[in-house]
Amino acid sequence: GNSVTQMEGPVTLSEEAFLTINCTYTATGYPSLFWYVQYPGEGLQLLLKATKADDKGSNKGFEATYRKETTSFHLEKGSVQVSDSAVYFCALNRGSNYQLIWGAGTKLIIKP
Amino acid sequence: EAGVVQSPRYKIIEKKQPVAFWCNPISGHNTLYWYLQNLGQGPELLIRYENEEAVDDSQLPKDRFSAERLKGVDSTLKIQPAELGDSAVYLCASSSPSQPGELFFGEGSRLTVL
Repeated sequence: GNSVTQMEGPVTLSEEAFLTINCTYTATGYPSLFWYVQYPGEGLQLLLKATKADDKGSNKGFEATYRKETTSFHLEKGSVQVSDSAVYFCALNRGSNYQLIWGAGTKLIIKP
Repeated sequence: EAGVVQSPRYKIIEKKQPVAFWCNPISGHNTLYWYLQNLGQGPELLIRYENEEAVDDSQLPKDRFSAERLKGVDSTLKIQPAELGDSAVYLCASSSPSQPGELFFGEGSRLTVL
């Protein structure tokens, strides 16, 4: 079946550190891949997406590359800030007739 | 452009009482979702609408939960009677069929059942 696996959190880093949050997926066909972010006390919001292999999504300094050969979509940022502290969810979608498949979420804590 | 609007933001009720949540999606978004999110977990789909039709309600506990989307715009999610285990955040989201998977979420309605 279709599934998304994320690295367990919490991930705790110091400000300006390099961030990687791993995400791997299992899916039939050619899904689109997404990273959503949930800041404390707020609703979920789309951070970035990629719709086909080798696409790179980017937003707010975050990047993720759709790697079909490794079925991965790892989230990276070169220099994190305290304001990046949030829960990050990886997700996949196979098309408009299918629901979004969510990872369990990874809590990120950035210390000043 | 206004985002997805949900109300109430917070609701505290006694068990066995009814409760209702309201959602107004982004204008023009045909697809509307209700999700449940427990603390520290990812969202779980309850029901998905395409216009006014519920196309996926397989995860909705139909003995106590009901939902409607009159005229394919606003939606209401109801729980009757509420149980202690229903305490969670209820999220509404909408999307356009031209961008599947790209969901826009409201701020959620936090329910506490005492």
